Amino acid sequence: DSGVTQTPKHLITATGQRVTLRCSPRSGDLSVYWYQQSLDQGLQFLIQYYNGEERAKGNILERFSAQQFPDLHSELNLSSLELGDSALYFCASSPGVQWGASTDTQYFGPGTRLTVL
Amino acid sequence: GQQLNQSPQSMFIQEGEDVSMNCTSSSIFNTWLWYKQDPGEGPVLLIALYKAGELTSNGRLTAQFGITRKDSFLNISASIPSDVGIYFCAGPLTSGTYKYIFGTGTRLKVLA
Repeated sequence: DSGVTQTPKHLITATGQRVTLRCSPRSGDLSVYWYQQSLDQGLQFLIQYYNGEERAKGNILERFSAQQFPDLHSELNLSSLELGDSALYFCASSPGVQWGASTDTQYFGPGTRLTVL
Repeated sequence: GQQLNQSPQSMFIQEGEDVSMNCTSSSIFNTWLWYKQDPGEGPVLLIALYKAGELTSNGRLTAQFGITRKDSFLNISASIPSDVGIYFCAGPLTSGTYKYIFGTGTRLKVLA
């Protein structure tokens, strides 16, 4: 158990809909990261938040957005869903270090499996 | 764009055999991480490497940070059935962000 929790574990929805995925980081971690993993694919970095502020952006679609709240939990919002958005969505957290430091190991949650029909 | 290439893509081995896999990049990394992912689960950190040339062990697993900083290696000794899974290397870009790049993965299957 990494200490990172994600809800829900499974989500089935229809095209065009909007969903929200939730992540609670490990106790004390300030950084939260979101990743997308399509079938048999590697992990694609979406976005990172550090202590409530967006820190880095990856290949995140404009239909997707995220935020980190004062209690440090994070939500990933996916809207106007398409069939191709079906994937595993992982949240990871890390302690968070000063900008420019080279080490900040990430610990992953169990993921949310999104199925768009 | 930048990517990490892992080889082999997949491997079938007999229980008890040793396993070697590697990860290469076109760019320099300051940190190399090795994760294992079981089906339907999140990746679990196995080993973290922070210095070029560093050799670190975690039980039957040994990983090395390549001296050129463009590659890393993971070895598993005396494999057992629970070693089955996908092994990913990962590292942060050197641009000062914490965007992690993940490798393409090595899928390991162990035959009892």
